Amino acid sequence: SQQGEEDPQALSIQEGENATMNCSYKTSINNLQWYRQNSGRGLVHLILIRSNEREKHSGRLRVTLDTSKKSSSLLITASRAADTASYFCATDYDMRFGAGTRLTVKP
Amino acid sequence: GAVVSQHPSWVICKSGTSVKIECRSLDFQATTMFWYRQFPKQSLMLMATSNEGSKATYEQGVEKDKFLINHASLTLSTLTVTSAHPEDSSFYICSARDGLAGNQETQYFGPGTRLLVL
Repeated sequence: SQQGEEDPQALSIQEGENATMNCSYKTSINNLQWYRQNSGRGLVHLILIRSNEREKHSGRLRVTLDTSKKSSSLLITASRAADTASYFCATDYDMRFGAGTRLTVKP
Repeated sequence: GAVVSQHPSWVICKSGTSVKIECRSLDFQATTMFWYRQFPKQSLMLMATSNEGSKATYEQGVEKDKFLINHASLTLSTLTVTSAHPEDSSFYICSARDGLAGNQETQYFGPGTRLLVL
């Protein structure tokens, strides 16, 4: 079974709003990674957070990690139409993916 | 960032033929590569993990004789779909992990290969 499970499965927001998606995993990890996939394309690595980190920022992205709850969240602030994509998390324990969160940002 | 390429990006073949997909790490050495397949509107399904110089480890339910994986060098892994059938039509994506010590955390993904079997 997959390690990373994202929720919600679908999220639709207006441009300028913030988008938050969550990821849960099952085992102890060294790091967790978030990826974006535009329709019909490969995955783009967004951000990696290590198990000893609680929060990490990269541009409009903010990732948190709670190892006690085995969960992570990805926040995209001031969303843009170009952020429309599917978002996945994966851990270093294994590289199996969950269903992902399909984000739609309406202009 | 590191770049992973796949070739071809698109392939259409007749049922019963074999198709080879290449995955290359362009600016780093990849000791481990992963192969995935993805059906429309679904997530990526891990097919196998490929380590340079050794046999690939296949996920449960993936036929090793049908999906032949060769990781002959630190920059190249190939996936051969043998005797392809229409149900093998899918989007195949590879990823690679940089083999340098201290830099093995991030997975880099190729752009994918879309296979259509007629």
